[in-house]
Amino acid sequence: TQLLEQSPQFLSIQEGENLTVYCNSSSVFSSLQWYRQEPGEGPVLLVTVVTGGEVKKLKRLTFQFGDARKDSSLHITAAQPGDTGLYLCAGGREAGNKLTFGGGTRVLVKP
Amino acid sequence: GAVVSQHPSRVICKSGTSVKIECRSLDFQATTMFWYRQFPKQSLMLMATSNEGSKATYEQGVEKDKFLINHASLTLSTLTVTSAHPEDSSFYICSARDFGLAGDEQFFGPGTRLTVL
Repeated sequence: TQLLEQSPQFLSIQEGENLTVYCNSSSVFSSLQWYRQEPGEGPVLLVTVVTGGEVKKLKRLTFQFGDARKDSSLHITAAQPGDTGLYLCAGGREAGNKLTFGGGTRVLVKP
Repeated sequence: GAVVSQHPSRVICKSGTSVKIECRSLDFQATTMFWYRQFPKQSLMLMATSNEGSKATYEQGVEKDKFLINHASLTLSTLTVTSAHPEDSSFYICSARDFGLAGDEQFFGPGTRLTVL
């Protein structure tokens, strides 16, 4: 049973379109990380959110942590082919402890 | 900062042999490192948590005698796949936590592709 549910599992869009990836759980997390992974490489940390209701922006990427710290979303504005990859959310319960990963969302941005 | 390396990046071996994968934190100290396994088009599956100077903690279903983990220093952890078989073929990724940071962030290595013939 996946403690962190990501949706959708796969998303194919045209360059310039917007997209949103969701990460949901029935559990409360002390922090939530978003990673992007390209084929044959390790995941790269994009952002960490720790406060309920927190919104962080990274250029065209907007990350939001739910008020109850059970869910998060990643929104990409005007997607570009370089945004193609596997997006993973991961929740932590205690500082320094292991992370719980979502199932991943594979994003394909077509030129 | 927060760079993690893995070696080798790719290995092909015969069935029955053992393979060692190294994970190094290059610019920070890591009291805790994690080993993951990833199958094609799937998310990461945690295999074990490696703590410097103590025994690793394995996840349920992961054979500790099959996947030997050693974390002898604050910058190096090794995973040895013993008596490898074709079903052990996978992408193995390590991550490390920065001892100096209070958060949960893990910094990942580039992964090792293991193919067992």
